[in-house]
Amino acid sequence: ELKVEQNPLFLSMQEGKNYTIYCNYSTTSDRLYWYRQDPGKSLESLFVLLSNGAVKQEGRLMASLDTKARLSTLHITAAVHDLSATYFCAVDAFSGGGADGLTFGKGTHLIIQP
Amino acid sequence: DADVTQTPRNRITKTGKRIMLECSQTKGHDRMYWYRQDPGLGLRLIYYSFDVKDINKGEISDGYSVSRQAQAKFSLSLESAIPNQTALYFCATSKGGGAREQFFGPGTRLTVL
Repeated sequence: ELKVEQNPLFLSMQEGKNYTIYCNYSTTSDRLYWYRQDPGKSLESLFVLLSNGAVKQEGRLMASLDTKARLSTLHITAAVHDLSATYFCAVDAFSGGGADGLTFGKGTHLIIQP
Repeated sequence: DADVTQTPRNRITKTGKRIMLECSQTKGHDRMYWYRQDPGLGLRLIYYSFDVKDINKGEISDGYSVSRQAQAKFSLSLESAIPNQTALYFCATSKGGGAREQFFGPGTRLTVL
């Protein structure tokens, strides 16, 4: 059974600081996704990571994937208040012989304070 | 217009009632999914469908059923709703190949009293 663990689950940080959210998963996969969710809203796709060593950047967010370590990171640079949201990583087990559909981490609730 | 739509957006019902949640998409994707979200638990897969004739159970399918009426429509039913099915329900779609990125609908907030 695929398990996806995110940490931390809650993060309060100040504007201008850097921080990293970690996502570990338990079985073979080469597809990992990061989503953002604002309160009461749907999930917005941020990054799609499709191979070992993949790195994607958008603005102050950068995501990477290490399939050998079964680890992805979402790095926030010089945080701003607008990045306050809940961030989810999700793993697709289908490519590793598992069932279709995504397995999600529990989410990281990020609060960025002025 | 939204690519993935869900109806209703909010629903309050009573224990034992039958409820249907509907999802439609204009993205032309062949795969469709139903997830539920509970506070602190992330999203969990209920059912998924590769096409009209291929429907599969997900992690938490007990108490739910689905119908894929067409490539663009995928409905989720609660035959006899119970309070612990109170949750936020999301429909998602994806292409069968490539990145298989999933795109989510706006969600349906269901409350079972």
